[in-house]
Amino acid sequence: GEDVEQSLFLSVREGDSSVINCTYTDSSSTYLYWYKQEPGAGLQLLTYIFSNMDMKQDQRLTVLLNKKDKHLSLRIADTQTGDSAIYFCAESNSGYALNFGKGTSLLVTP
Amino acid sequence: SQTIHQWPATLVQPVGSPLSLECTVEGTSNPNLYWYRQAAGRGLQLLFYSVGIGQISSEVPQNLSASRPQDRQFILSSKKLLLSDSGFYLCAGTGETEAFFGQGTRLTVV
Repeated sequence: GEDVEQSLFLSVREGDSSVINCTYTDSSSTYLYWYKQEPGAGLQLLTYIFSNMDMKQDQRLTVLLNKKDKHLSLRIADTQTGDSAIYFCAESNSGYALNFGKGTSLLVTP
Repeated sequence: SQTIHQWPATLVQPVGSPLSLECTVEGTSNPNLYWYRQAAGRGLQLLFYSVGIGQISSEVPQNLSASRPQDRQFILSSKKLLLSDSGFYLCAGTGETEAFFGQGTRLTVV
């Protein structure tokens, strides 16, 4: 299948901004997603962006999409300890299952 | 809104025993349904997907099978579990664009 790549770990201080990056290879991706997984739980959809958009903001979350470079990022402003989790980038080509990256573990330290 | 119910949350089974994990969906009709496995490395592997009753597609050859006896019910089964079947299993269903996940089942085969 198509590849979705993410860095595995990110550590930030409480109150700083976090930026989690993702690259994908499928040029026909229609939607791109960010999911959050807390320990032992399922995945929670945080936000998604259509491939014809380049930015989406939702409260503390900002998603940037560079379709030319196939690069997606998630910025979390004023990161809190409750934001510590695994963040999954995913893409889909409408109507089919999501293709996930391996996830980025975000650790927020006081 | 769409909700995925998945049970049990944890399961310990001996090698060679059968398996049945159940997933039900509320809040939508005729959803696409999926079973994912999340292995120790945190990657999400698509196992099965279903676009309707009795319609199952398998993504990888394995010891598992899936069935969809009703529109909102998706079952993951095995006749004889292997040690390598241990992992975290997630059921998902798709809304208009994104996928919604159940809380997952932690399966340990001993």
